[in-house]
Amino acid sequence: AAGVIQSPRHLIKEKRETATLKCYPIPRHDTVYWYQQGPGQDPQFLISFYEKMQSDKGSIPDRFSAQQFSDYHSELNMSSLELGDSALYFCASSLPRKNTEAFFGQGTRLTVV
Amino acid sequence: DAKTTQPNSMESNEEEPVHLPCNHSTISGTDYIHWYRQLPSQGPEYVIHGLTSNVNNRMASLAIAEDRKSSTLILHRATLRDAAVYYCILIPSGTYKYIFGTGTRLKVLA
Repeated sequence: AAGVIQSPRHLIKEKRETATLKCYPIPRHDTVYWYQQGPGQDPQFLISFYEKMQSDKGSIPDRFSAQQFSDYHSELNMSSLELGDSALYFCASSLPRKNTEAFFGQGTRLTVV
Repeated sequence: DAKTTQPNSMESNEEEPVHLPCNHSTISGTDYIHWYRQLPSQGPEYVIHGLTSNVNNRMASLAIAEDRKSSTLILHRATLRDAAVYYCILIPSGTYKYIFGTGTRLKVLA
């Protein structure tokens, strides 16, 4: 069965650079979520989209922005990268039905040097 | 958002049942209770969810207290592959906001 696809799987950037992470949801899933998980930390909710509109917002820094496109894929743009942004970034998707299960991708490991 | 409280860690012997508790005393009437687990270096994986009634699926059972202030995830026969961090999450009705708390790290002993 198709799963949530995230690219790239690994990314190394220097401080103050910009990074773009991509997420391709499971077919027919129109809801996308983004999470950040630092080393030894629990996943932190960043932002979610439903039908290409921002739905809920968590602890997403102002330096980060995200959007969902017409084909339902989503991109997380991160600017002025800091060392503390080094983390695993997970994307999840779900069917267009509230309170349903979310399916997570394998994550993108971002390292800022 | 309502908070959940889980023990930091638990141990179980292989082939034995495991009961993972979660307290959510500030739950509102329309919050759904979800459980996810995360294996090392992998994305979280859905386990089960419910609102008021107990739920069963091929992975686990979810027992919800009558007052909904607590719930218990039951793994009927733990295997080594069940070793993971288990998260109990409350989903406010009408939102797409899954907030992970501090889960329970389950260790399964052979």
